Amino acid sequence: QKEVEQNSGPLSVPEGAIASLNCTYSDRGSQSFFWYRQYSGKSPELIMFIYSNGDKEDGRFTAQLNKASQYVSLLIRDSQPSDSATYLCAVNPPSDKLIFGTGTRLQVFP
Amino acid sequence: GAVVSQHPSWVICKSGTSVKIECRSLDFQATTMFWYRQFPKQSLMLMATSNEGSKATYEQGVEKDKFLINHASLTLSTLTVTSAHPEDSSFYICSAWLRLNTEAFFGQGTRLTVV
Repeated sequence: QKEVEQNSGPLSVPEGAIASLNCTYSDRGSQSFFWYRQYSGKSPELIMFIYSNGDKEDGRFTAQLNKASQYVSLLIRDSQPSDSATYLCAVNPPSDKLIFGTGTRLQVFP
Repeated sequence: GAVVSQHPSWVICKSGTSVKIECRSLDFQATTMFWYRQFPKQSLMLMATSNEGSKATYEQGVEKDKFLINHASLTLSTLTVTSAHPEDSSFYICSAWLRLNTEAFFGQGTRLTVV
């Protein structure tokens, strides 16, 4: 079992819709969870991080964490074509490193 | 966010030569830096964790004699790809923790092409 799993997609949503990206992780002791966005040929940029169970909102983005289910998600409201990118879920297990999922490619069409 | 600068952004080298990539934290001290490699359409694969003043911790399957990592100061880590081969061609990215176990910031990445 991979440490961090994501559906590779592509996930296609129309402009203005809500995009829902999901991620599961294997190490129950993981403490911190991050969502990064990566455009083709560029390095990842941090969107959000979440440490506690529940929801965390930042503008159009909402991160959701459920440690019991070992599940973290990212919702993007009012999706825009500029949101089209690969979204990487990253998890900090209790070993002082950051492990990435394979990423989900999001396509927002006009 | 915090700034991590990586240099060079791209490099082409001949097979058998060595290439050094630098990663600097510009406005903070990074006790821990990470080096990742990313092949086209794949995710970031952690190569090693670099701690200031100590030996790097390599992930399983990564040759430590081939990928030399030095973290000589709190703001600089270097990755040297020794005796590069075409299969080493990839996108190499460094990142640094702003604080332990918190969000990591990434350098711009280095696209290495070995011919």
